[in-house]
Amino acid sequence: GDSVTQMEGPVTLSEEAFLTINCTYTATGYPSLFWYVQYPGEGLQLLLKATKADDKGSNKGFEATYRKETTSFHLEKGSVQVSDSAVYFCALSDVTGNQFYFGTGTSLTVIP
Amino acid sequence: GAVVSQHPSRVICKSGTSVKIECRSLDFQATTMFWYRQFPKQSLMLMATSNEGSKATYEQGVEKDKFLINHASLTLSTLTVTSAHPEDSSFYICSANTGFGHTEAFFGQGTRLTVV
Repeated sequence: GDSVTQMEGPVTLSEEAFLTINCTYTATGYPSLFWYVQYPGEGLQLLLKATKADDKGSNKGFEATYRKETTSFHLEKGSVQVSDSAVYFCALSDVTGNQFYFGTGTSLTVIP
Repeated sequence: GAVVSQHPSRVICKSGTSVKIECRSLDFQATTMFWYRQFPKQSLMLMATSNEGSKATYEQGVEKDKFLINHASLTLSTLTVTSAHPEDSSFYICSANTGFGHTEAFFGQGTRLTVV
């Protein structure tokens, strides 16, 4: 079945460091891929998405490219800020959009 | 984007009582909504799929008599935790999508349930 494998955390970085959170997936057909962010005590917010191969999703300095050949959707940011501290979830949805599969989440802490 | 509102955001209840959590799609109709449970420092676990006008579909291992789901309208689904126990304490999140080719899921703010 479909699944998402996400880099385990926690990850601790200094401010302005480069961030990569790895995500790979297994799916039949052509899923859509997402990164969601969860700030402490809150629900999930969509950070970015990509709906087809080679698409690049970007938002707030974060980027991820849908790589079908490597079945990956790694999250990157060139210079993290303290306010980026949160838990990041990689997810995919099937073609209907009704079934979501989430990675285990990666906790990021950015220190000044 | 579409907005999903979940209420309450926090609730504390006594063991043995029931708690109702509401999930509303504010600016779109959602024939399907999803209920998740999140344990501390863990990912989301899909509990059930809520279908408007019909019975919910529960994931394996989720007690349907304990977690009652009602999807009475196209904009409202409710999750009732019956006879709550401390082990039911958790973060519950609902989501919905707009359908019609939009594959993004929109999440509620979540409800922190504490059973004492």
